[in-house]
Amino acid sequence: DAGITQSPRHKVTETGTPVTLRCHQTENHRYMYWYRQDPGHGLRLIHYSYGVKDTDKGEVSDGYSVSRSKTEDFLLTLESATSSQTSVYFCAITTTTGSTEAFFGQGTRLTVV
Amino acid sequence: AQSVTQPDIHITVSEGASLELRCNYSYGATPYLFWYVQSPGQGLQLLLKYFSGDTLVQGIKGFEAEFKRSQSSFNLRKPSVHWSDAAEYFCAVAADTGRRALTFGSGTRLQVQP
Repeated sequence: DAGITQSPRHKVTETGTPVTLRCHQTENHRYMYWYRQDPGHGLRLIHYSYGVKDTDKGEVSDGYSVSRSKTEDFLLTLESATSSQTSVYFCAITTTTGSTEAFFGQGTRLTVV
Repeated sequence: AQSVTQPDIHITVSEGASLELRCNYSYGATPYLFWYVQSPGQGLQLLLKYFSGDTLVQGIKGFEAEFKRSQSSFNLRKPSVHWSDAAEYFCAVAADTGRRALTFGSGTRLQVQP
């Protein structure tokens, strides 16, 4: 399972509150990603990281920020949660050699009420 | 920009019947192609992948897929479906350089009838 742990697994929060989701990996992979999954859209890339302090935006980055101060942790922050950010969030890694095969965490179900 | 289309949102097959899930991609160079499966409430599991070489690739759980460059397709097949195959299936494409992120199709939900 590539040693990926997401926390929390479930969260309910109120509109306007900040929320941080954590992705932790144990195998020192360089590339890490945050996706959101919504019905009819598959998974869409929010942000990604290609090293400590090196991050960039994906296709649906508005309203989200990320940080990576250590190789093993990639944090996704919703500065002020909105109902449109209710979704399932997946963290993923790809290995640095060979293929771009991605390994996924178990997901975090976030509900914004 | 790369993109993936899965034309079938929902497919129902009888147990023991054959299965083919369609996937079309758009990408300027030779793509890296993947099929993932997701059971309800679970993460994504890789079924198979194509990078180069033999265009017919074998995966786990008896699945296979064929890369057809002329049709920009990477369809997933299984000769005999089991009830446990009921899940959602995602096709994805990735570049071999740059951010290396996957672009996913919208998924096909498979229902298996007894």
